[in-house]
Amino acid sequence: EAEVAQSPRYKITEKSQAVAFWCDPISGHATLYWYRQILGQGPELLVQFQDESVVDDSQLPKDRFSAERLKGVDSTLKIQPAELGDSAMYLCASSLLDEQYFGPGTRLTVT
Amino acid sequence: AQSVSQHNHHVILSEAASLELGCNYSYGGTVNLFWYVQYPGQHLQLLLKYFSGDPLVKGIKGFEAEFIKSKFSFNLRKPSVQWSDTAEYFCAAISAGKSTFGDGTTLTVKP
Repeated sequence: EAEVAQSPRYKITEKSQAVAFWCDPISGHATLYWYRQILGQGPELLVQFQDESVVDDSQLPKDRFSAERLKGVDSTLKIQPAELGDSAMYLCASSLLDEQYFGPGTRLTVT
Repeated sequence: AQSVSQHNHHVILSEAASLELGCNYSYGGTVNLFWYVQYPGQHLQLLLKYFSGDPLVKGIKGFEAEFIKSKFSFNLRKPSVQWSDTAEYFCAAISAGKSTFGDGTTLTVKP
């Protein structure tokens, strides 16, 4: 069964450093989402792509976060500089007709 | 602003008890509704979805949900829970392409 791949699974970084996460969606899924999930809360949408275009990044802190999906396939989410409050699980999902398939996530700890 | 509310943060049941988890959404137009589950150590997976048609939808593992438009609700039900249903449950909505999740309900089933 096809799955969404994410790497790394865990990342520990120091405050003010740069960090990047990678996501490879299920083949053929045009829509890709990046979410941030803080413990005890639901996933919060950061950015949504349709192919290579951003369709929603209203909740993305653009002063420090950036996301790209250059060829409309895999995607990278970057944080620079990381802050203590960025510690969270970062989830990637892809979808066909709104039904989202999630990857395992990247657990980020900022020290 | 679009929002999804889950009333119960933590539910504890004994095996064979019936389950109902509440979910309310605030959208004025067309909305697609979902329930996702996250078992311990696993990633989010789809339980069931409602797009249109019969407001009572059936999902995997004996779960069902009822869409009540007049109440803006999409409650999840299961007539008899098992220990293996212990997990976190998230209600989600997509409207005009925008995805929003509730904060989740942790279900603990005691054997």
